[in-house]
Amino acid sequence: KQEVTQIPAALSVPEGENLVLNCSFTDSAIYNLQWFRQDPGKGLTSLLLIQSSQREQTSGRLNASLDKSSGRSTLYIAASQPGDSATYLCAVRSNFGNEKLTFGTGTRLTIIP
Amino acid sequence: DAGITQSPRHKVTETGTPVTLRCHQTENHRYMYWYRQDPGHGLRLIHYSYGVKDTDKGEVSDGYSVSRSKTEDFLLTLESATSSQTSVYFCAISSGTVHQPQHFGDGTRLSIL
Repeated sequence: KQEVTQIPAALSVPEGENLVLNCSFTDSAIYNLQWFRQDPGKGLTSLLLIQSSQREQTSGRLNASLDKSSGRSTLYIAASQPGDSATYLCAVRSNFGNEKLTFGTGTRLTIIP
Repeated sequence: DAGITQSPRHKVTETGTPVTLRCHQTENHRYMYWYRQDPGHGLRLIHYSYGVKDTDKGEVSDGYSVSRSKTEDFLLTLESATSSQTSVYFCAISSGTVHQPQHFGDGTRLSIL
């Protein structure tokens, strides 16, 4: 059974700093991994989708990496801004039971002005 | 943003009553999903649909049924609501293959007293 872990559960950093969010998964047989952000009381916004054959994906100030063999992904946020404050979720799509995403419980990020 | 509308956005009801949540999409995507989000559990798949009248169970399907009579609409029904079904419910859509991202609606907050 696939399990996804995000540590830490909460993180506070000063504005302008670069930061890394972590995601680990137990079964490396995945199709892809997706990063989302969730604002309070809102739905999930897809940030990046990284396929199992890829090592990195970039969108603006965001860069996601994937090391499938070690079961790890990171989301790098450059030059953080107060508007980046949100909960960040990662989810993997496994080769088995592939209709569902298995989610981590998220990292709540606060950017301090 | 993906054209996904969930209704209602909030609902309070009593134990034992039937409840139906609606997801409407304007993207003509083949796949639609219902997830629930609970503290400490992340998002978990309830049911999904891979076409009109084609549905299947997810990992937490007990107590829920779904129907899809049109491409654009996916209904989630709680036949007899219980307090354990108090949660935030999210609809998601995907264009098809496992390599495509899932996009989420804004959620329905359901409280069962």
